[in-house]
Amino acid sequence: EADIYQTPRYLVIGTGKKITLECSQTMGHDKMYWYQQDPGMELHLIHYSYGVNSTEKGDLSSESTVSRIRTEHFPLTLESARPSHTSQYLCASRGGGDTQYFGPGTRLTVL
Amino acid sequence: RKEVEQDPGPFNVPEGATVAFNCTYSNSASQSFFWYRQDCRKEPKLLMSVYSSGNEDGRFTAQLNRASQYISLLIRDSKLSDSATYLCVVYGQNFVFGPGTRLSVLP
Repeated sequence: EADIYQTPRYLVIGTGKKITLECSQTMGHDKMYWYQQDPGMELHLIHYSYGVNSTEKGDLSSESTVSRIRTEHFPLTLESARPSHTSQYLCASRGGGDTQYFGPGTRLTVL
Repeated sequence: RKEVEQDPGPFNVPEGATVAFNCTYSNSASQSFFWYRQDCRKEPKLLMSVYSSGNEDGRFTAQLNRASQYISLLIRDSKLSDSATYLCVVYGQNFVFGPGTRLSVLP
């Protein structure tokens, strides 16, 4: 089993609130990723990081931001949540090989 | 055109059937290829990497044809527990996920 954790698992929040989705891994992986997945649809990369103080935007335009102050921690922040942000957010990490390990995801609903 | 395309599905098959999934990718510079499995409302999990020489893991066989930019996954003697969505994933600069093909194995 992969040691990658996401909190909260489920979040229902009102429009305009600031939210932070947490992702942590204990495998010492340098590379971490955030994906967004709508029900029945493919995963889209929204942010990634190749190490501490390194962050990049992915293929899908996103209003979220990320930070990577510690190797094990890669939080994603939405400054002002909107109903269009309702989705599942999946965090993943990768070590030296090509295999990505995914966290259990956060299901976000913005009312 | 999407960078990674898969059979639209869903595939509904009886237990014991052999199922083949197809995937094509558009970026000829892609380096690595994978099949992931995603259960309903769960995270994706790596099923197997795919190599040009082909590789087999029990009932699962994956093939890669770089010239045709085509990847396949064969499941033999399908089980009820194989019911899931199968994701084709291609790695070039980043990981690109296909839309997935849903498989339902029926008793």
